[in-house]
Amino acid sequence: DIQMTQSPASLSASLGETVSIECLASEDIYNNLAWYQQKPGKSPQLLIYYASSLQDGVPSRFSGSGSGTQYSLKINSLESEDAATYFCLQDSEYPYTFGAGTKLELK
Amino acid sequence: EVQLVESGGGLVQPGRSLKLSCAASGFTFSNYYMAWVRQAPKKGLEWVATISTSGSRTYYPDSVKGRFTISRDNAKSSLYLQMNSLKSEDTATYYCASGRYSLDYWGQGVMVTVSS
Repeated sequence: DIQMTQSPASLSASLGETVSIECLASEDIYNNLAWYQQKPGKSPQLLIYYASSLQDGVPSRFSGSGSGTQYSLKINSLESEDAATYFCLQDSEYPYTFGAGTKLELK
Repeated sequence: EVQLVESGGGLVQPGRSLKLSCAASGFTFSNYYMAWVRQAPKKGLEWVATISTSGSRTYYPDSVKGRFTISRDNAKSSLYLQMNSLKSEDTATYYCASGRYSLDYWGQGVMVTVSS
């Protein structure tokens, strides 16, 4: 099974700052990497697919990059609504596996 | 607008069975793979099952293989998850999900609690 190591587990940032979240796959996942945002009591929302493609309706301050085994999600100019938990998902092969999540807190 | 609405959750004793349903609308159901994903309380996400468009192919992680069965009825735009021999560690919110690119769309989730 492909293991997804996500970091950091949590981070705190101020409005207007830029943050990055990383996911490291245990083997090459050929850009089959998605990023999700989840707010308390809500279902996950797709932000990025194929490592860097922005889902319709998602603000352009979200961006994804990476290849091979290393991927990252960058959020520019943080807004209050960005406080949430973020997960990565590899859908390169079964079993699909998620990162453990990054809880983003706004100061 | 894509809508996925889960139902069938509840409290069940260990070793018993439960069947979840997901009603889909707003897209051509028969054209998309469908999946179930779960989230234990205050925990991360775990993929549970995927089914192909025709239902001929199904995929499971080892944690549920042999106990859970995913199925679909394309005529009714519905997805199902039959869960047998339930364990306490199956306690979670179960989400129905699908999409063109990845798991693009998710339902609101249904809670399953396995406890005596």
